[in-house]
Amino acid sequence: DIVMTQSPDSLAVSLGERATINCKSSQSVLYSSNSKNYLAWYQQKPGQPPKLLIFWASTRESGVPDRFSGSGSGTDFTLTISSLQAEDVAVYYCQQYYSTPQTFGQGTKLEIK
Amino acid sequence: EVQLVQSGAEVKKPGESLKISCKGSGYSFTRYWIGWVRQMPGKGLEWMGIIYAADSDTRYSPSFQGQVTISADKSVSTAYLQWSSLKASDTAMYYCARQLVLNGAAFDIWGQGTLITVSS
Repeated sequence: DIVMTQSPDSLAVSLGERATINCKSSQSVLYSSNSKNYLAWYQQKPGQPPKLLIFWASTRESGVPDRFSGSGSGTDFTLTISSLQAEDVAVYYCQQYYSTPQTFGQGTKLEIK
Repeated sequence: EVQLVQSGAEVKKPGESLKISCKGSGYSFTRYWIGWVRQMPGKGLEWMGIIYAADSDTRYSPSFQGQVTISADKSVSTAYLQWSSLKASDTAMYYCARQLVLNGAAFDIWGQGTLITVSS
């Protein structure tokens, strides 16, 4: 199984400041034939199901604000929120969909400082 | 509107059986895979398994193989997750989510979740 490890486990950022969450996979999730990274980011607010934010490591899902961006390749990935808003308080998960069993990171809890 | 609607919360006793459902609407159900994800109280997301609605091709996580059964009935656009003998440790929220391509797409639409409580 591919193990996904996020850092940090929790993060407190001031409103309007940048938030950065990291995700590392135990093996590459870059498919060489199409140069795509099989990595997604989800946001889960309390009492709600997860919501897809980013797929292919850097493509925003339709309707997701452009303050959310994804980067990285191979085994190291980053989710960045450029200017934190109050509504961004949530737990964020990365997921690899390169191979089954598809696996999630343990989650990063983002709070307001 | 594209949506996955899951069956309601359940309270069961250890040893009982259970089948929960996930009904798709607003899209071609047989074009997608439906995955199941467990979230234990206060914990993270765990990928359990996935089924292709068109032909019921199913893959399980080794952690859940033999513990649950995933099935689908394309005639009613519904996927199922079932247990033959529940344990207290099965207490969790269970989500279904759709995926266009196995190991080729993210989960883009999620159900609202089904809370299962197993207690004597």
